[in-house]
Amino acid sequence: SQQGEEDPQALSIQEGENATMNCSYKTSINNLQWYRQNSGRGLVHLILIRSNEREKHSGRLRVTLDTSKKSSSLLITASRAADTASYFCATGPYGGATNKLIFGTGTLLAVQP
Amino acid sequence: DTAVSQTPKYLVTQMGNDKSIKCEQNLGHDTMYWYKQDSKKFLKIMFSYNNKELIINETVPNRFSPKSPDKAHLNLHINSLELGDSAVYFCASSFDRGGKETQYFGPGTRLLVL
Repeated sequence: SQQGEEDPQALSIQEGENATMNCSYKTSINNLQWYRQNSGRGLVHLILIRSNEREKHSGRLRVTLDTSKKSSSLLITASRAADTASYFCATGPYGGATNKLIFGTGTLLAVQP
Repeated sequence: DTAVSQTPKYLVTQMGNDKSIKCEQNLGHDTMYWYKQDSKKFLKIMFSYNNKELIINETVPNRFSPKSPDKAHLNLHINSLELGDSAVYFCASSFDRGGKETQYFGPGTRLLVL
């Protein structure tokens, strides 16, 4: 299976704490993206990191990428109850159709108020 | 002002029926996609169209037939529905040039086959 793996599968934290999610993938990539899915809704793009980048920030989000280990992490700082959602990583393959995203298994984050 | 919209939102039907799901985007994107998300939340691409031309066609039963009348619309027709087709189907779109990797998703169509 080409599916990426994410861990943990589920994460429960208190408001104000930081949340870290990890993603591992199997093939060479052009880019890696993180998406959020609120319950019963579609996916929303959060951040994209290219294969030649190692770290990227966007607001309270910090993404790292280690292509040698084929892994990425998403850090959400100072979490809020509104951050409660499922988070998915998605890889765009190297060469060919870079928009043919392969999604990870997702991490369900619950932020307790 | 909805960016990517899908209809219907819910679809409950009997095995063996034929059904269609419609998708429209008003973002001016060139490329549209259909994804299937199963009960374990695994999300997998099914098809992709670029300017009405099929460019990605994953291993999907030929009971599934996408149709793109224009680059703002991508419909999915499913023949002879089976129990295993029950899932959430998401439409998405993106540009076909700089920044094309970011995809914008619709709200999903929840299909239940009885």
